[in-house]
Order: sequence, then structure tokens, then C-alpha cells
Amino acid sequence: SQKIEQNSEALNIQEGKTATLTCNYTNYSPAYLQWYRQDPGRGPVFLLLIRENEKEKRKERLKVTFDTTLKQSLFHITASQPADSATYLCALDRSGGYNKLIFGAGTRLAVHP
Amino acid sequence: NAGVTQTPKFQVLKTGQSMTLQCAQDMNHNSMYWYRQDPGMGLRLIYYSASEGTTDKGEVPNGYNVSRLNKREFSLRLESAAPSQTSVYFCASSETPGQGVYGYTFGSGTRLTVV
Repeated sequence: SQKIEQNSEALNIQEGKTATLTCNYTNYSPAYLQWYRQDPGRGPVFLLLIRENEKEKRKERLKVTFDTTLKQSLFHITASQPADSATYLCALDRSGGYNKLIFGAGTRLAVHP
Repeated sequence: NAGVTQTPKFQVLKTGQSMTLQCAQDMNHNSMYWYRQDPGMGLRLIYYSASEGTTDKGEVPNGYNVSRLNKREFSLRLESAAPSQTSVYFCASSETPGQGVYGYTFGSGTRLTVV
């Protein structure tokens, strides 16, 4: 079955450093991959989308890479700030056109001053 | 503010009771979705509606029904609640696939406890 794996352990980093989160998937070849941010008690918020033919995508301090050979996406936050502390979810399209996303369980990021 | 509105925010039910979770979006999106989120398991798709008048099952539809009342509203019904349905429920909407690929807009969730 299709499976998405994100590190279940929280990632703790110092303010100003680059945070790198990993999303691995198996048994699927998605056309695109999305990243979301979720704060406690809130719904996920869409951040970035990257297509299978794109190696890298950037938005302000965020960078996403997509390696379809390794079946892996990396999500980077440069110059991290305490306000970046949240859980980050990756999601893949499971249906090849109907935009039905399958989500990973997320990785919690804590940025310390 | 434009977005997805879910009601209620919190609900406690007794086993066997029924209830309907309401969801409305004002972004003129065609597609709407219901997910549940449990600790350590990620969001799981219950039902979705690709466009007004159509609905289809996701990966965990058992025990639920949905109604796409119009383009704005998509409701989720629990006919006979069970403790296994204790979860946080999220409604989401998106633009029509095929015209591009878009992220979802989520509501703030309904925290449901079945005792």
C-alpha cells in the first residue's frame, strides 16, 4: 500500500540555523508533492507544491526538493525563527488527477531562541 | 475572512448517538473533502466531493455519510457514533483538478469525543 514516512521525533534547532525535514514515500509515483504547516489546535495551512519534473522550489525562506529516484522530498527552512515552530506535513496526490491527497503524520519542529 | 468554516468546534457524543458536522467554503471551490486526524496517524480521507452533485469514498468511509448540499456546503454525518470515531475532523476545499494543481484550504477542525 502507499505509505508516507516523516520523522516522528521532534526536530529541535537553534534560531538562525537551517531546519531540514524529510518525507519518504513508497509504492507510489506521485505527480506532485505538497507541504503544509499545522499549529496546535488549528487546521493545516498550505505552504508549497512541487511537481515531479521539478527538482527544487523556493518561497522566501522555504525550499523544497523532490527526488523521484530516491522517493524523497526535503523541506528546508533557512534562518529559522521561533515563530517557525509547528508541525510540518507532507502530502502526495494519490489519484493521478483528482487531487485526493494522502498525508504523512508530520514532523514537529521546535526552534529555540 | 474568506475560507472554510466548520461547526461545531467541539462535541461530546454518547455511543449510538448521531450528529452532523457542517462545513462551508466561500472561495467558489469545486472540490471538498473530509479528513480525520488521529495522533501519530496523519490525516486520513473519509469522503470527498470532486464537484457539486458528486461524492465518493476515501480510505476510511465506514460509519460515515456525506451530503454535498450545494457548491458551498459539504456535511459529514455519523449515524451511530462509536468510540473509535473519537478524532479531530477537518473539512477542506480546493480548486478543480485539471486546471492546475492547488493546495487545500482547511477549516479549523471539529474535536469529537464519543464516550
